[in-house]
Amino acid sequence: DQQVKQNSPSLSVQEGRISILNCDYTNSMFDYFLWYKKYPAEGPTFLISISSIKDKNEDGRFTVFLNKSAKHLSLHIVPSQPGDSAVYFCAASPGFGNEKLTFGTGTRLTIIP
Amino acid sequence: NAGVTQTPKFRVLKTGQSMTLLCAQDMNHEYMYWYRQDPGMGLRLIHYSVGEGTTAKGEVPDGYNVSRLKKQNFLLGLESAAPSQTSVYFCASTKTGNYGYTFGSGTRLTVV
Repeated sequence: DQQVKQNSPSLSVQEGRISILNCDYTNSMFDYFLWYKKYPAEGPTFLISISSIKDKNEDGRFTVFLNKSAKHLSLHIVPSQPGDSAVYFCAASPGFGNEKLTFGTGTRLTIIP
Repeated sequence: NAGVTQTPKFRVLKTGQSMTLLCAQDMNHEYMYWYRQDPGMGLRLIHYSVGEGTTAKGEVPDGYNVSRLKKQNFLLGLESAAPSQTSVYFCASTKTGNYGYTFGSGTRLTVV
């Protein structure tokens, strides 16, 4: 039972345009959401997070949106750069005191120069 | 500051052999985790530890054992390797209340 789903295995975006990565979850107990970025032959690195009390969190070129009623979150990257080409994982947790993350299957983003 | 170090980086095992993967962190983190990454499956939690001397099962614990005898080390053992355990294994750590895990660079294990 995949509680965190990333339905697009891959996405290609022109350099300079906006990249939108989507993530859906089924567990209503999830309270905290994160995005990780992974380059080949490296471990994932933390990118940005959002608590369920917010619907948007921004950090430079990266913005995460959360729609709790739809159980959906998205990561927007604008403008997209070649260095953004990587696999992006969505992750979720029931909240403070339970630092155990459930990860999605990942989306491979390719930025076309 | 090395962060999270995994050894070995690569290993080929024959079916039935045993091995131990070592994870070491130098950040004084309380929590440590072992994940496996498989194509189309994402990262799945094998076992985790919330402190020295404690371990707990994750989503896919069968065929694996773990030990956390020292706070900085988290060992993952395969007693009798099977081809289904061919995967890339990642160790991660974090401190209480922090979801921004620090991951190691992974161990690629092939069981033939």
